[in-house]
Amino acid sequence: DVVLTQTPVAQPVTLGDQASISCRSSQSLVHSNGNTYLEWYLQKPGQSPQLLIYKVSNRFSGVPDRFIGSGSGSDFTLKISRVEPEDLGVYYCFQATHDPNTFGAGTKLELK
Amino acid sequence: EIQLQESGPGLVKPSQSLSLTCSVTGYTITSGYDWSWIRKFPGNKMEWMGYISNSGSTNYNPSLKIRISITRDTSKNQFFLQLNSVTTEDTATYYCVRGIPFAYWGQGTLVTVSS
Repeated sequence: DVVLTQTPVAQPVTLGDQASISCRSSQSLVHSNGNTYLEWYLQKPGQSPQLLIYKVSNRFSGVPDRFIGSGSGSDFTLKISRVEPEDLGVYYCFQATHDPNTFGAGTKLELK
Repeated sequence: EIQLQESGPGLVKPSQSLSLTCSVTGYTITSGYDWSWIRKFPGNKMEWMGYISNSGSTNYNPSLKIRISITRDTSKNQFFLQLNSVTTEDTATYYCVRGIPFAYWGQGTLVTVSS
């Protein structure tokens, strides 16, 4: 199975700061069709996960532009500029290129 | 508005089967997309379990392959999860989801496996 390694495990932040989360894959996530199916989800406390980013860098409808996904191959990053209180929670990367699809272990974005 | 809602027993005994229903409103499950089950274990670990496609084909996580079945009732716009021979390690919150990408999630249902 593809292993997604997320770092850091926890990211203490001050509101208004930038946060950055890394997701590294044990193999390339480029599909044979040329697409890279790397997604980012946020699970806020008491809520279901919500889609933020799909295919590396595409923001889902309604997601603020302070969320920026980037990367290629096996190395991906989610940046959150100007962290707001509603951004706190656990972030997961997810790959749908290879079977079985797999999640990273999560990164908790929390207040300092 | 697309909504998914899980339902089923919150407590299952070890060695028995776990059965959950996902009721979908606002979208017909035969119109498109795959319809997945995902679970979150105590702590943060998430696992994609499998899906049933809009055409009715299925794809399962090999780690569950001999225990899992995902089926559907198109007349009720529902799909189902059955997980056999459960152990305490199957205790988790179970989500039904439309995707990929997983844009729409149910609220999740906690299933505890305990005698």
